[in-house]
Amino acid sequence: EPEVTQTPSHQVTQMGQEVILRCVPISNHLYFYWYRQILGQKVEFLVSFYNNEISEKSEIFDDQFSVERPDGSNFTLKIRSTKLEDSAMYFCASSVSNSPLHFGNGTRLTVT
Amino acid sequence: AQSVTQPDIHITVSEGASLELRCNYSYGATPYLFWYVQSPGQGLQLLLKYFSGDTLVQGIKGFEAEFKRSQSSFNLRKPSVHWSDAAEYFCAVGSGTYKYIFGTGTRLKVLA
Repeated sequence: EPEVTQTPSHQVTQMGQEVILRCVPISNHLYFYWYRQILGQKVEFLVSFYNNEISEKSEIFDDQFSVERPDGSNFTLKIRSTKLEDSAMYFCASSVSNSPLHFGNGTRLTVT
Repeated sequence: AQSVTQPDIHITVSEGASLELRCNYSYGATPYLFWYVQSPGQGLQLLLKYFSGDTLVQGIKGFEAEFKRSQSSFNLRKPSVHWSDAAEYFCAVGSGTYKYIFGTGTRLKVLA
């Protein structure tokens, strides 16, 4: 069964550094998403992306965040200047129209 | 406002006992409803979904859920729990192909 794959599985960075989290969605999917889960808390929506543009974003997704689909297979989340509170598990997901989201296994981001 | 409530943060059951995890939602339109399971350090796996039609839906691993519009509920059930079901369970609501709203999760512990 096709999967959403995320790399790396764990990323450690220093406060103020830029990080890029990478995702390869399922190949025939057209809708892409990033969610995050701060340790012990609920899964929160960050952004959805379709047709090469952001469809919707949450209040969390401020100017420090950006997403990109640089080629036909990757979907990336960039945090320009990381803060301690950005430490979380970041989940990528993808879907086709009106179907459930398929999630990757996540990237654990630790900001020190 | 759209929201999902999972009133039980922790539930402990004995192996072989029945299970019901509660989920209540608040949503303006006809919702799409989902249950996801997350094992420690893993991603979110879809257990089942409700889009329309039969209000009792069957999922993987022997789980089922019933949509009750009058109660705004979508409770997850399993007649006989296995030790491998120990995990965190998330209810989610969404529409179309954009963001999902997740509940805070219910952590299930299974006693041998």
